[in-house]
Amino acid sequence: AQSVAQPEDQVNVAEGNPLTVKCTYSVSGNPYLFWYVQYPNRGLQFLLKYITGDNLVKGSYGFEAEFNKSQTSFHLKKPSALVSDSALYFCAVSWNQAGTALIFGKGTTLSVSS
Amino acid sequence: KAGVTQTPRYLIKTRGQQVTLSCSPISGHRSVSWYQQTPGQGLQFLFEYFSETQRNKGNFPGRFSGRQFSNSRSEMNVSTLELGDSALYLCASSWDQALFGNEQFFGPGTRLTVL
Repeated sequence: AQSVAQPEDQVNVAEGNPLTVKCTYSVSGNPYLFWYVQYPNRGLQFLLKYITGDNLVKGSYGFEAEFNKSQTSFHLKKPSALVSDSALYFCAVSWNQAGTALIFGKGTTLSVSS
Repeated sequence: KAGVTQTPRYLIKTRGQQVTLSCSPISGHRSVSWYQQTPGQGLQFLFEYFSETQRNKGNFPGRFSGRQFSNSRSEMNVSTLELGDSALYLCASSWDQALFGNEQFFGPGTRLTVL
């Protein structure tokens, strides 16, 4: 069965510092991995995806994610955090290669302080 | 371009009743997926429709059903409501043009409360 795990319920960082939100996955076959972000009054939004190719994936708002097959991880990163990055972040793996049947992790709340 | 719209935004029902939620995808999107979000279980995949056919189904009881119309609009129905069905129900649409990893666009959700 496909699954993802986000080991941290909350991550706290100071503005300007680098941030990492962790995600590990378990899949049979090729992993189709995603990060989505949920802002309080703006709904769930796509950040980035890994399908194949380069292990470092760049996405929206300056975020990037590093795919590591040996560690079955797909950590979300940003070199310099902004207060406006504060939100709920979800890692997901897709049941299907189309990316339209997602299995989400529990989510990690990112809090960036000024 | 208009985003994904869901109606109604809020709904209050009592146990045993049934409910129908509606989702209008972004124009041109053919895939519509439904998710349930609760504090305890998080975001869970319900089902996906593509060109009026259910393409994928999550691990939910048969009380949860859906359909898609020729204009890609989708509805989901929950019969014999239980207290545990109280949740935010999210609809997401996708172009589904790429073979792999299409981005999904989510609606604001319908907040269902079962009393």
